[in-house]
Amino acid sequence: AQSVTQLGSHVSVSEGALVLLRCNYSSSVPPYLFWYVQYPNQGLQLLLKYTSAATLVKGINGFEAEFKKSETSFHLTKPSAHMSDAAEYFCAVSDQGSGTYKYIFGTGTRLKVLA
Amino acid sequence: ETGVTQSPTHLIKTRGQQVTLRCSSQSGHNTVSWYQQALGQGPQFIFQYYREEENGRGNFPPRFSGLQFPNYSSELNVNALELDDSALYLCASSLGTGFTDTQYFGPGTRLTVL
Repeated sequence: AQSVTQLGSHVSVSEGALVLLRCNYSSSVPPYLFWYVQYPNQGLQLLLKYTSAATLVKGINGFEAEFKKSETSFHLTKPSAHMSDAAEYFCAVSDQGSGTYKYIFGTGTRLKVLA
Repeated sequence: ETGVTQSPTHLIKTRGQQVTLRCSSQSGHNTVSWYQQALGQGPQFIFQYYREEENGRGNFPPRFSGLQFPNYSSELNVNALELDDSALYLCASSLGTGFTDTQYFGPGTRLTVL
């Protein structure tokens, strides 16, 4: 079965600094990977997804992620952090277990942006 | 286009009670998946419904059950509530059940069991 690991449950960056949130996956087949963002007391919003069309994926709000098969990674980046980026970020992989495609989520990374 | 909606927003129940949570899927979506997100954790798959039939289930006991209606809206029912059932329950809809069908999430229902 597929799985994802998010390194760092909490990440703090200064406003204007680079944001790097790490995600590594484990998959026996070419994976479909996703990043979602969750603001306090809200549901999940899709940031971007990798579906094998291109290794560098651009998402909403200036975020992008690069699929690296050799490193089994799908790290999320943003060149310049904004205060409004403070939220929890989840990496997920689409997994077919028992014939059902469901998402397997990481444990999340809470991003704090310092003024 | 209307997104995924869930009701109620918050709910407080006592141990042993039963609860029903509701989800309206995004227009045109025939598949609904339910997830449980405990505090400080990532969402965990409960089950999925496709065209009114259960299409797969995660590692949750039978007291978690569901329904999907002809308009593709869905309900999650939990019987004999336990304290550990306190969580955010998320509903996600998709165009289908395939590998490439992206799931779009609703805002969630926060359930507190006392």
